[in-house]
Amino acid sequence: KQEVTQIPAALSVPEGENLVLNCSFTDSAIYNLQWFRQDPGKGLTSLLLIQSSQREQTSGRLNASLDKSSGRSTLYIAASQPGDSATYLCAVRLYGGSQGNLIFGKGTKLSVKP
Amino acid sequence: GAGVSQSPRYKVAKRGQDVALRCDPISGHVSLFWYQQALGQGPEFLTYFQNEAQLDKSGLPSDRFFAERPEGSVSTLKIQRTQQEDSAVYLCASSSNFRDRTYGYTFGSGTRLTVV
Repeated sequence: KQEVTQIPAALSVPEGENLVLNCSFTDSAIYNLQWFRQDPGKGLTSLLLIQSSQREQTSGRLNASLDKSSGRSTLYIAASQPGDSATYLCAVRLYGGSQGNLIFGKGTKLSVKP
Repeated sequence: GAGVSQSPRYKVAKRGQDVALRCDPISGHVSLFWYQQALGQGPEFLTYFQNEAQLDKSGLPSDRFFAERPEGSVSTLKIQRTQQEDSAVYLCASSSNFRDRTYGYTFGSGTRLTVV
């Protein structure tokens, strides 16, 4: 059974720091991996999607990498800002799974202090 | 509409009561998904529709959970005889193109269900 683990569970950093969030998964037979952001009381916002054949994706200050063979992904946030404070979730979609069946980690709660 | 709309935002139900949660996806979105998110956990898949067809309901935890999307747009998740373990945020998401591997999901803000 696929399990997705995110470390750390919570992270607090001062504004301006670069930081890395980690995601690991136990079954490397994934179709793709997505990083989401969740603000309190809000739904999820998709940040980056990496197909299984890709190594990384970039969007603005965000860079996500994927090492399928080792079952790891990282989300790198450059020059963090207080507005980045949220919970970050990674999710994988398995080969053979329906397209909506994403398996999520529990998330990393990020707090960026001014 | 501009986004995925869910109602109600909050629902308190007495144990044993039936509840119905509504999801209005983005107009024209073919795919619709329901997820359950317990406190401190990541969302867990419940069920998936493509238009009006329910293609995957493998995540529904029991036969007390039922979802429908009769006209291929609005969807309702119904929970019968609610129990305390049903307390969670129920998230709905929609997606425009199930054939495009780069499709993204748009999530609603969720319905927070509390069973007392």
